[in-house]
Amino acid sequence: EDKVVQSPLSLVVHEGDTVTLNCSYEVTNFRSLLWYKQEKKAPTFLFMLTSSGIEKKSGRLSSILDKKELFSILNITATQTGDSAVYLCAVSGSTLGRLYFGRGTQLTVWP
Amino acid sequence: EAQVTQNPRYLITVTGKKLTVTCSQNMNHEYMSWYRQDPGLGLRQIYYSMNVEVTDKGDVPEGYKVSRKEKRNFPLILESPSPNQTSLYFCASSLWGENIQYFGAGTRLSVL
Repeated sequence: EDKVVQSPLSLVVHEGDTVTLNCSYEVTNFRSLLWYKQEKKAPTFLFMLTSSGIEKKSGRLSSILDKKELFSILNITATQTGDSAVYLCAVSGSTLGRLYFGRGTQLTVWP
Repeated sequence: EAQVTQNPRYLITVTGKKLTVTCSQNMNHEYMSWYRQDPGLGLRQIYYSMNVEVTDKGDVPEGYKVSRKEKRNFPLILESPSPNQTSLYFCASSLWGENIQYFGAGTRLSVL
């Protein structure tokens, strides 16, 4: 059975802190791993990772994939209150069009 | 503007009264999908469609129906809603062969 596990489930930090969110997976014939941000509405796309060791970066957010150990991390540096959201990890496998989501990490950033 | 549009955004109904949630995308995407999101359970796929007249079950299809008669539309049908279908529903779409899915704003459904 395919499985995507995110940790921690919840995280509370203060502005300026750096956070690391984790995503491990067990998916048949892995194709890609995606990160989404959800702020009380529709999930919005952040990154897609397909190759090990290649960091994707966008501003203060970055992510990397380890296909050998079957996990990915999402880093957010110098957090701001606007980073407060649920961060979702999703993985695609052998079935085209299927995405398997983790339960998400609820990040709360206090001013 | 490229978008996925769901209607209605909020719906309160009673057990057994058939309802349809519409989903439309203007990006000419082949692939469309429905998810439900429940507290603590994340997003779970209900049905997906790889093109017109091609649909398949996701992880939680029981109690739902879909149809794909046109490329842009993918309605979700609850023939006889029950309280355990109270949830937040998302429609998503993507290009064929691409894994990045774009989501609608969501439909919050309450079945009393």
